[in-house]
Amino acid sequence: DSGVTQTPKHLITATGQRVTLRCSPRSGDLSVYWYQQSLDQGLQFLIQYYNGEERAKGNILERFSAQQFPDLHSELNLSSLELGDSALYFCASSVEGGLNNEQFFGPGTRLTVL
Amino acid sequence: AQSVTQLGSHVSVSEGALVLLRCNYSSSVPPYLFWYVQYPNQGLQLLLKYTSAATLVKGINGFEAEFKKSETSFHLTKPSAHMSDAAEYFCAVSDGGATNKLIFGTGTLLAVQP
Repeated sequence: DSGVTQTPKHLITATGQRVTLRCSPRSGDLSVYWYQQSLDQGLQFLIQYYNGEERAKGNILERFSAQQFPDLHSELNLSSLELGDSALYFCASSVEGGLNNEQFFGPGTRLTVL
Repeated sequence: AQSVTQLGSHVSVSEGALVLLRCNYSSSVPPYLFWYVQYPNQGLQLLLKYTSAATLVKGINGFEAEFKKSETSFHLTKPSAHMSDAAEYFCAVSDGGATNKLIFGTGTLLAVQP
């Protein structure tokens, strides 16, 4: 158990819908990362937050957005869902955002878009 | 741009045999390299990381990796495979900046035969 929790574990929805994925980082970790794992694209970095502020953006679609709240949990919002958004979404956290801080991964949320 | 290439999407070894998983990197700056393992239906766990301190890096579960700049490689090895090593392994690179976002390879699925 990494100490990072993600809810829900599974999510099944229809095209055009909007969903919210939630991540609670390890106690004391200030940085949260979101990654997407799909058969087509592999594991891709989406976005990083540090202490409530966006720090880095990767291959995140405009239909996707994220935020980190004052209690440091994070939410990833996916809207106007398409079949291709079906994937495993991981959250990771680290103490800070720098190199010497290991990223601890949660178990993921599996999103299926029908 | 940084990238990693994992040669061999599937590797099969016998129990007790040497495990060798290949990773080559491309980076315009000194890279920071990682190996992660993903067991079925779980998140990613860090096996080891290279951050320029030593070229031979020892990790958990008996794994190690050697950084070879001349070959731009960071191959993962384990002298004797166990059944419990069956999993998917990901090589990743980071620019080591403030974000420490990870760029992952496509993964290698390791099967261990009895």
